[in-house]
Amino acid sequence: KNEVEQSPQNLTAQEGEFITINCSYSVGISALHWLQQHPGGGIVSLFMLSSGKKKHGRLIATINIQEKHSSLHITASHPRDSAVYICAVGGEEGAQKLVFGQGTRLTINP
Amino acid sequence: DGGITQSPKYLFRKEGQNVTLSCEQNLNHDAMYWYRQDPGQGLRLIYYSQIVNDFQKGDIAEGYSVSREKKESFPLTVTSAQKNPTAFYLCASSIDLSEQYFGPGTRLTVT
Repeated sequence: KNEVEQSPQNLTAQEGEFITINCSYSVGISALHWLQQHPGGGIVSLFMLSSGKKKHGRLIATINIQEKHSSLHITASHPRDSAVYICAVGGEEGAQKLVFGQGTRLTINP
Repeated sequence: DGGITQSPKYLFRKEGQNVTLSCEQNLNHDAMYWYRQDPGQGLRLIYYSQIVNDFQKGDIAEGYSVSREKKESFPLTVTSAQKNPTAFYLCASSIDLSEQYFGPGTRLTVT
């Protein structure tokens, strides 16, 4: 079993829909990251969370430390949100390494 | 503008040849990382360096080598010992583990 599991692996939705991507992890962590990878391959960091909730524009990320679960939500989705969304966790002992989920491929149709 | 550059974007090599991928950053970050991405899999750490002249193996270091002679540069050499080198390679840097900044990636194809 992978240390970081994302669901769903693929998600297709219509423009305007509310999107939820989930991430579960099995190790103790210091922080959880959400990343976005566009078709060209470049990766952008969206959020870093250690507790609670963060919001940036139409994106919202939440984390439940007790349940070892995080969600990324997109409100009023748009075709330009189409990308691969990646969850990654940083280890509790402060190790300089991230463990990555396999990614969720999101496609928003107009 | 501050950022990370990787070159080239696409690289083609014959089997048995060593190839070096470039990664440069002007963010003044101490830590730099190399990841490999294969279809349907998460990023896997090849090597990382927390400071100049020091680096550690990641989860899949076999068949790869790195150097960190300057803070700005962390080149990755894919050697002929790497059994399946065709992949997308991403370089990243960070001040600490709080946020990693990624380069645009190099897609390596070995035939």
